[in-house]
Amino acid sequence: EDKVVQSPLSLVVHEGDTVTLNCSYEVTNFRSLLWYKQEKKAPTFLFMLTSSGIEKKSGRLSSILDKKELFSILNITATQTGDSAVYLCAGSSGTYKYIFGTGTRLKVLA
Amino acid sequence: DTAVSQTPKYLVTQMGNDKSIKCEQNLGHDTMYWYKQDSKKFLKIMFSYNNKELIINETVPNRFSPKSPDKAHLNLHINSLELGDSAVYFCASSRGRTGVDNEQFFGPGTRLTVL
Repeated sequence: EDKVVQSPLSLVVHEGDTVTLNCSYEVTNFRSLLWYKQEKKAPTFLFMLTSSGIEKKSGRLSSILDKKELFSILNITATQTGDSAVYLCAGSSGTYKYIFGTGTRLKVLA
Repeated sequence: DTAVSQTPKYLVTQMGNDKSIKCEQNLGHDTMYWYKQDSKKFLKIMFSYNNKELIINETVPNRFSPKSPDKAHLNLHINSLELGDSAVYFCASSRGRTGVDNEQFFGPGTRLTVL
């Protein structure tokens, strides 16, 4: 059965810290790995990764995919209180399906 | 401009009732989805439609029936509501088939509470 596992489940850090969120996946006909940020309402898209070893960056956030080891990481440097959210990763398969992990709940303290 | 909209945002109803949630996207996307998110924030896909055609139907009770009158709309009808149906239901859309520019845009969610 397809599954996506995220770790840690929750994390509390102080502003300015760097965090690394992990996502491992077992997805049939894997096509891409997506990261989303969910604050109070809908998930919002962060990154889509399809190739191994190519880092994607957006400001203080970056992500990379390892298709051999079947995992991805999301890094956030110089964290701010506005980064507090649930971070979701999802694997997409060739069967039009997205399998989401349970999320990592990040809390950044001032 | 709202990209993916859902109505209603909140729905409180009694067990046994029938209710519908509507979703509309103005992004010109071909694929639309319904997800259920439980209290632990776990997002699970329920249905996916591509160009009005059902392409994913996960192991969802047949009390749940999606309907796509056109590419821009995907509604969800739920019969004989049960307590376990209480959750947040998200509609989403994406440009095309999975694996090809498949970033999903999510609606604001509908919080369903069954009493």
